[in-house]
Amino acid sequence: GAGVSQSPRYKVAKRGQDVALRCDPISGHVSLFWYQQALGQGPEFLTYFQNEAQLDKSGLPSDRFFAERPEGSVSTLKIQRTQQEDSAVYLCASSGHPGQGTQPQHFGDGTRLSIL
Amino acid sequence: AQSVTQLGSHVSVSEGALVLLRCNYSSSVPPYLFWYVQYPNQGLQLLLKYTTGATLVKGINGFEAEFKKSETSFHLTKPSAHMSDAAEYFCAVSERESGGSNYKLTFGKGTLLTVNP
Repeated sequence: GAGVSQSPRYKVAKRGQDVALRCDPISGHVSLFWYQQALGQGPEFLTYFQNEAQLDKSGLPSDRFFAERPEGSVSTLKIQRTQQEDSAVYLCASSGHPGQGTQPQHFGDGTRLSIL
Repeated sequence: AQSVTQLGSHVSVSEGALVLLRCNYSSSVPPYLFWYVQYPNQGLQLLLKYTTGATLVKGINGFEAEFKKSETSFHLTKPSAHMSDAAEYFCAVSERESGGSNYKLTFGKGTLLTVNP
């Protein structure tokens, strides 16, 4: 497809389970971002990749959160031992060459994660 | 550090009326500024952006915003609201970290726009 694709769209997990969220960016986009959007809030930055390199993970809330992009394309956000406070919409965004900061980020529709 | 403040979590207008959504930012360097719109159960769609140059920026769906450095503001306007404009609107700021390439966005908390018939 032409846009950023995220799967699954909805995920329900029991507290303590591990989850994996997938992001398929726009083909050729070098930069990939993950954001967390709590109910009624704006998105908050989690982590940033340039190709396969994770250059910024300062927004990850705990060491239970882990992201990877091994081949510089698809990315996976993994949350271990989920807690109720992890319930949120997780948004992925991609953009073109990182040297051109004026390029906008294109967002996927997100994965809505609910922890019971 | 950068931050965004959106004044008014909820704005209600009548169809055909002026839309004004307020955004103030703080940034240690000249910022890039964005407005995004989010419809229910969807991701964010870019409305418009300011990088450099002309301070009045026109976007999609008849929206525009004016960058006012002296007021550190980037308010979003539309002359005549349409029912289809009902959505959540987010203002965002981005600045490249020194020596880096990360243009991560910092968002405001959003403003929910309702349009009454």
